[in-house]
Amino acid sequence: KAGVTQTPRYLIKTRGQQVTLSCSPISGHRSVSWYQQTPGQGLQFLFEYFSETQRNKGNFPGRFSGRQFSNSRSEMNVSTLELGDSALYLCASSLIPGDYGYTFGSGTRLTVV
Amino acid sequence: EDQVTQSPEALRLQEGESSSLNCSYTVSGLRGLFWYRQDPGKGPEFLFTLYSAGEEKEKERLKATLTKKESFLHITAPKPEDSATYLCAVQADSTLTFGKGTMLLVSP
Repeated sequence: KAGVTQTPRYLIKTRGQQVTLSCSPISGHRSVSWYQQTPGQGLQFLFEYFSETQRNKGNFPGRFSGRQFSNSRSEMNVSTLELGDSALYLCASSLIPGDYGYTFGSGTRLTVV
Repeated sequence: EDQVTQSPEALRLQEGESSSLNCSYTVSGLRGLFWYRQDPGKGPEFLFTLYSAGEEKEKERLKATLTKKESFLHITAPKPEDSATYLCAVQADSTLTFGKGTMLLVSP
């Protein structure tokens, strides 16, 4: 069965721009979580969505936002990009919230120049 | 604040040389401890969940154990394909807090 699909795989943006990343979960999985991974901070939780509702949000500024559609696909948006936003953004899906045996996608590598 | 510390940061082993990776945690009310494996250029792959002190889980050459303060990932007779970064995460409420990982390199 198809895994978690994240698009695009790589992205280069300029400071001040905004970006939208997409995640399609495994078929039947209704919970989607987003993480930011950097060498200095490791994996940090961004937000979790279930049934089109944000259930949890990590400690990130309001420039980071997301949403989930009725087909469980999710998008995250980062506005007014800063150099420090350069990271690997990972999406993880599970059948239901609270099931942390996630299946992760391969991520979107965002570089802000 | 929940904290997860993994050691060592990097570990180099010869094929067949067994060793252990450590994950120390500070959390109020542990609900689960998770181990993941991450290969370069890929997302983490789920390995194990441990829920209570004394619990052990095994998968091929890997065995995970849990105490009240730490977890160990034991690797028995590793092979080069076991080379990866191993991540530990704890669940206290409804989110996961990850450690920074141990990068394992197994040489033939």
